[in-house]
Amino acid sequence: DTAVSQTPKYLVTQMGNDKSIKCEQNLGHDTMYWYKQDSKKFLKIMFSYNNKELIINETVPNRFSPKSPDKAHLNLHINSLELGDSAVYFCASSQGWTTDTQYFGPGTRLTVL
Amino acid sequence: AQTVTQSQPEMSVQEAETVTLSCTYDTSESDYYLFWYKQPPSRQMILVIRQEAYKQQNATENRFSVNFQKAAKSFSLKISDSQLGDAAMYFCAYRYSGGGADGLTFGKGTHLIIQP
Repeated sequence: DTAVSQTPKYLVTQMGNDKSIKCEQNLGHDTMYWYKQDSKKFLKIMFSYNNKELIINETVPNRFSPKSPDKAHLNLHINSLELGDSAVYFCASSQGWTTDTQYFGPGTRLTVL
Repeated sequence: AQTVTQSQPEMSVQEAETVTLSCTYDTSESDYYLFWYKQPPSRQMILVIRQEAYKQQNATENRFSVNFQKAAKSFSLKISDSQLGDAAMYFCAYRYSGGGADGLTFGKGTHLIIQP
């Protein structure tokens, strides 16, 4: 009964390709997030989203776009992949904007060759 | 903007001993949450403990406890009776209670090694 799941767990691709990472939560939460963990293990918020609002961290290139088909899913699409996009991407969810606790998925390790 | 600083990139402790991981933060807000997350080699981010800034009482979860000093903006994690399974990266994180755009702000992490 995984609370927040991501697929795939590992993704290896060539520069210039377009790829997607899927995220699903079964917690009934209405707010979801994407974080990026770089090679030095530093975690940084990329997007915060609920059914009313998408908030994008200003440092995220517009090649990255979240798409939510419904409340339980927030997928991450990445166009024209670059070497610097190699990282671990985490999806997380919480109940509402102001709820403190976020629950994380297992992460997706993206390697761009 | 808020920042979170973990000044110890790596700590090592003998099994069964106690270790304290340091965290300081900077914010202009008065109402917020603080967290410690554990990331073992499996990569999963696991919530260890949370603290609400308006509560003076330090949070405790079994062998894990915090020393929250609001005026000093300090939030250290104490692990008692260290076990081999405690070996992991530990991240201190902050979140403004108003929620929204910023999500969690993380420190750079402390790598905890448990010596058998």
